[in-house]
Order: sequence, then structure tokens, then C-alpha cells
Amino acid sequence: KNEVEQSPQNLTAQEGEFITINCSYSVGISALHWLQQHPGGGIVSLFMLSSGKKKHGRLIATINIQEKHSSLHITASHPRDSAVYICAVAANTGTASKLTFGTGTRLQVTL
Amino acid sequence: DGGITQSPKYLFRKEGQNVTLSCEQNLNHDAMYWYRQDPGQGLRLIYYSQIVNDFQKGDIAEGYSVSREKKESFPLTVTSAQKNPTAFYLCASSITGQGRAFFGQGTRLTVV
Repeated sequence: KNEVEQSPQNLTAQEGEFITINCSYSVGISALHWLQQHPGGGIVSLFMLSSGKKKHGRLIATINIQEKHSSLHITASHPRDSAVYICAVAANTGTASKLTFGTGTRLQVTL
Repeated sequence: DGGITQSPKYLFRKEGQNVTLSCEQNLNHDAMYWYRQDPGQGLRLIYYSQIVNDFQKGDIAEGYSVSREKKESFPLTVTSAQKNPTAFYLCASSITGQGRAFFGQGTRLTVV
């Protein structure tokens, strides 16, 4: 079992829909990242969370430390949101903040 | 602006040749990391370094080598011993002991 599990693996939505991507992890963490990867490979850091909720534009990220679960929401989705969304956790190793990554959720938003 | 720069974005090499991927950061971070991404798989840790002149193997270090002679630079060499070098390589950095990490834009290496 992977330490970081994302669901769904693939998601297709129509423009304007509300989207939720889930991430569950099995280790103690110091932080959780949501990343966006566009075709061509470039990765953009969307959020880093250690508790609660963060919002940036149409994106909202939440984390429940007790349940070891995080969600990324996209409101009023648009075709430009089409990308792979990756969850990554920084374990409580006490040393370097090595990240463990999920396999990503591929999102396709159509007109 | 502070950040991480990886170069080049795309790299092609012939089989059997060593190739070095560049990663430079001006964030004054102590820790730097190299990850590899293959289709359908999550990013996996190749090597990391917590301080200058020190580095540790990650989960898939075989066929790779690194150096950390300067705080801002952490180059990765893909050697001819790496059996499947074609992949997307991502460099990251962080303040040691903190969760916040910053990422480069990646280098896509194709070996023909």
C-alpha cells in the first residue's frame, strides 16, 4: 500500500463544475503539498498545508490531521485547469523534509 | 526573485553517455533533493542533501551520482549504469526540518 493515495486517478468535468480531489496518507507529517503539473512537465506548487484550510482564487485546500486526509477543491472549473494534480507529504522525520508523492489525479475540463 | 532553476528543460543523449542535470537555488536553503517521475508513477527520491559536502541516497539512487560543493547547486549525473534513464527529473529545496519545499520546473531527459 502506498503511503500517499489519491482519488480519483482520472477525472473529467464540464466547465463550471465543482471539482474535488482527495488525498489520504498513512504516516505522520509535518506538511502536505498540492502541486499542479501541466503537459510538458512543469510543476507549480499550489498549497502547503499543516492544518485547516487555505484558499487561493478558485482553489481551496483542506486538511484533517486526525483523519490523515486532505482535499483540493476547484470551484467554477475551466479548461485551463486541465492538468495533473499531485499530493505530496513531508514526513515527520526530524531531518530533511523528504517528500512522498501520490501518483496524481489527471483532470480534464471540457467546454 | 528567489527560486530554483533547472536546466535544460529538454535534454537528449545517446545511450551509454553520462549526462549532468543542473539545479541551482538562490533561496539559501540547506536541503536539496532530486526526484524522478515515470509515467503512471509518483515522483521518487533519487538523492538528497541536507548540507554542503554531504548527501544521502534516496529510494532509487542506483545509476546516479550527485555533488554538493556549493549551497546553491546540486547537480545530478545520470551515468551509463542507469538502465532506464529516460524520465522527467525534478529538483526541490527546503529549509532543513521544515515541511515547506520549493520546486524547479523539471528536466525531461530522453536517451536514444
